Order: sequence, then C-alpha cells, then structure tokens
Amino acid sequence: EPEVTQTPSHQVTQMGQEVILRCVPISNHLYFYWYRQILGQKVEFLVSFYNNEISEKSEIFDDQFSVERPDGSNFTLKIRSTKLEDSAMYFCASAPGQGAYEQYFGPGTRLTVT
Amino acid sequence: RKEVEQDPGPFNVPEGATVAFNCTYSNSASQSFFWYRQDCRKEPKLLMSVYSSGNEDGRFTAQLNRASQYISLLIRDSKLSDSATYLCVVRFDDMRFGAGTRLTVKP
Repeated sequence: EPEVTQTPSHQVTQMGQEVILRCVPISNHLYFYWYRQILGQKVEFLVSFYNNEISEKSEIFDDQFSVERPDGSNFTLKIRSTKLEDSAMYFCASAPGQGAYEQYFGPGTRLTVT
Repeated sequence: RKEVEQDPGPFNVPEGATVAFNCTYSNSASQSFFWYRQDCRKEPKLLMSVYSSGNEDGRFTAQLNRASQYISLLIRDSKLSDSATYLCVVRFDDMRFGAGTRLTVKP
C-alpha cells in the first residue's frame, strides 16, 4: 500500500538555525499539507499546497515558514530561524482531492529546538 | 469558543463494552467531517468519514447532526486494540482537529 514518507524522523537543532523537513507524498496525490502537533496538544493545520502554490495557510504559518515542491516527488517545509516554541511533531499529509477525500499522514518528524 | 471540542477523557472501559464519543464544532459552514485515530506518538489515521445520514463500519457508527453542530462516534464490543486517542476533525477551508478523546480498553 502506498504511503507518505518523511525524513528525518527526528531533528535536533539550535535556536536560530534553519531546518528543512522533507516529505514524499503518495505519487498520484495532488494536494499536500503540513501539520504540527506540540507534545500533548492537538494537531494544528499549517498549510495546504496545490498546483505548485499555497492554497490555504493558518495564522501559525508566518514568514518564518515556507513550503516547496522542488521536484516531482518531494514536498518540503522550511523554518528559517527556529524558535524554542517550534519544537513539535510535524506531519506531512497528501490527498487525491479536496473536501471529503481522506488525507494520508506521514509518520512525522520530531523537531527539537534547543 | 474552541472550533472543535471533545471530551478529553480518559475513557477506561472493559473489553466488550460500548463507548460513545461526542464532538461539537463552531463553524456552521463546515463541509466535511471525520473521525481519526491516533496511537501514542504516531500519525493520525482515518477511522471513518461522517455522512449526514450517519454511517457504520463494522463495530463503529458515526452520526452527524448539522443543526446542533454535533458529531458522535460509537464503538461496540470494544477490543484491546481500540485503545488510542480518537480525533474529531472538521473541514471548512482547512482541517480543524479536536484535542482528542483518549480511550483505554482493559482486559
């Protein structure tokens, strides 16, 4: 069964550093998403991406964040200057369509900012 | 008011019990509704979509009441493997997750 993959599984970085989290969505999916989950809290939507551009973003997704689909397979989330409060699990998801279509989540990248 | 509100639990039930989870949402224009399941430190996985007429998948039954902005999930004959956190998810422009209801099924 096809699945979303994410690398690395755990990333430790120092405050102020840039990080890039990588995702490979399911190959025939058209919609891509990033979510984060701070430990013990709910899953929060960050951004959705379709047709090589951002379609929706939340108030969390400020100028420190950017997304890119640099080639036909990868989907990346970049945090330019990490803060302590960016420590969280970051999930990538993909879906074949919008609305009622299931979003398939990757296993997540645990980001720890020290 | 929280956008998607769930009873956090925990619910501790014996094997074979029936358990019900409730969820309310604030945006009346929400279009799609889901129950996801999340195991500890794992990604959310879709359990079932929720349709206006209600729907059933084996031991799981989901109901939607748009007028009351209320969603429910019923689990019958609960198994040890049902132990997880159940996330109510509502979609308008983007997906909004509830904080989850934790279920522990005990032998």
